[in-house]
Amino acid sequence: GNSVTQMEGPVTLSEEAFLTINCTYTATGYPSLFWYVQYPGEGLQLLLKATKADDKGSNKGFEATYRKETTSFHLEKGSVQVSDSAVYFCALGGSQGNLIFGKGTKLSVKP
Amino acid sequence: DAGVTQSPTHLIKTRGQQVTLRCSPKSGHDTVSWYQQALGQGPQFIFQYYEEEERQRGNFPDRFSGHQFPNYSSELNVNALLLGDSALYLCASSSGTGGLIYNEQFFGPGTRLTVL
Repeated sequence: GNSVTQMEGPVTLSEEAFLTINCTYTATGYPSLFWYVQYPGEGLQLLLKATKADDKGSNKGFEATYRKETTSFHLEKGSVQVSDSAVYFCALGGSQGNLIFGKGTKLSVKP
Repeated sequence: DAGVTQSPTHLIKTRGQQVTLRCSPKSGHDTVSWYQQALGQGPQFIFQYYEEEERQRGNFPDRFSGHQFPNYSSELNVNALLLGDSALYLCASSSGTGGLIYNEQFFGPGTRLTVL
């Protein structure tokens, strides 16, 4: 069945460092792909999405490119800030109309 | 726009009891999905409601049931609570059924359920 695998955390970076969080997926067809962010004590917020191969989603300095050939959707940011500390979830749109999430990667950014 | 709202924020129950969680979707949305997020895990899909009917269901037992009202709000009911039901329950709303290939789901803040 469809599934998402993302890198284990936690990830600890210094402010202004480069961020990569790896995400790979297994799916039939060509699902939409998403990155959601969860700040402490809050629900999930959509960070970015891509609906077809080679699409690049971007928002707030974060980017991810839908790579069909490698079944990947890695999240990147060139310069992280303390305020980016959160848990990041990679997800794909399931055939049931649901979202299938990875286990999440906790990011901590130190000043 | 109030966004997706959920109540209560926190809830403590004992094993064997029943619980009802509530969700109001974002204005203009007609589809409500429920997810269970165990501590340190990603959300798991429970079921989805559209036009007051359960349209899709994840791998959850029949103890988990729901309802959608004509105003699109929804309830999640869990019977015979187990310790393992302790989790954050998230409600998400969207527009249309099966449209999640392209449509974004908006999540509420969740209800934290603790079963003792």
